[in-house]
Amino acid sequence: AAGVIQSPRHLIKEKRETATLKCYPIPRHDTVYWYQQGPGQDPQFLISFYEKMQSDKGSIPDRFSAQQFSDYHSELNMSSLELGDSALYFCASSLGPGGGYTFGSGTRLTVV
Amino acid sequence: GENVEQHPSTLSVQEGDSAVIKCTYSDSASNYFPWYKQELGKGPQLIIDIRSNVGEKKDQRIAVTLNKTAKHFSLHITETQPEDSAVYFCAASTQAAGNKLTFGGGTRVLVKP
Repeated sequence: AAGVIQSPRHLIKEKRETATLKCYPIPRHDTVYWYQQGPGQDPQFLISFYEKMQSDKGSIPDRFSAQQFSDYHSELNMSSLELGDSALYFCASSLGPGGGYTFGSGTRLTVV
Repeated sequence: GENVEQHPSTLSVQEGDSAVIKCTYSDSASNYFPWYKQELGKGPQLIIDIRSNVGEKKDQRIAVTLNKTAKHFSLHITETQPEDSAVYFCAASTQAAGNKLTFGGGTRVLVKP
């Protein structure tokens, strides 16, 4: 079965650079969620989209922005990167906001 | 907002024994409680979930119980196997909150052969 696809799997950036993470949900899933997971920590909710509209916002820094496109894929844009942004970034998708989640394998971002 | 506490943070069991992980939540409006298994370098994988209109759910060696009055839910793994070794997260969400998940702190389970 098709899963949630995230790219890239690994990304190394320098401080103050920008990064773009991409997420391709399971076919027909219309809801996308972004989570950040620091080392040894639980995932923290960043932002979600339902039918291309932002549906909820969590602890996402103002330096980050995201959107969901017409084909339901989503991109997380991160600017002015800081060392503390180094983490695993997971995308998850569901059919409708009340559906069960499926997570992707994540993007490991390292800021040096 | 919602706050989810998870215990224990680490759990070591002998192969074949049972493992129990407990979580409490604070928001009485939460109505969906999934459990995720996360292996090193991978994304969380849903292993079982329960909704607030159900008290218990079982899937082979895995079961989850929910006590809405006390606001706690538990994961039970029976006949543990080495491949059950991973980090397990409980989570809670409410439909009204757009289904965002609030995770517990995780339990690192080690099953010793």
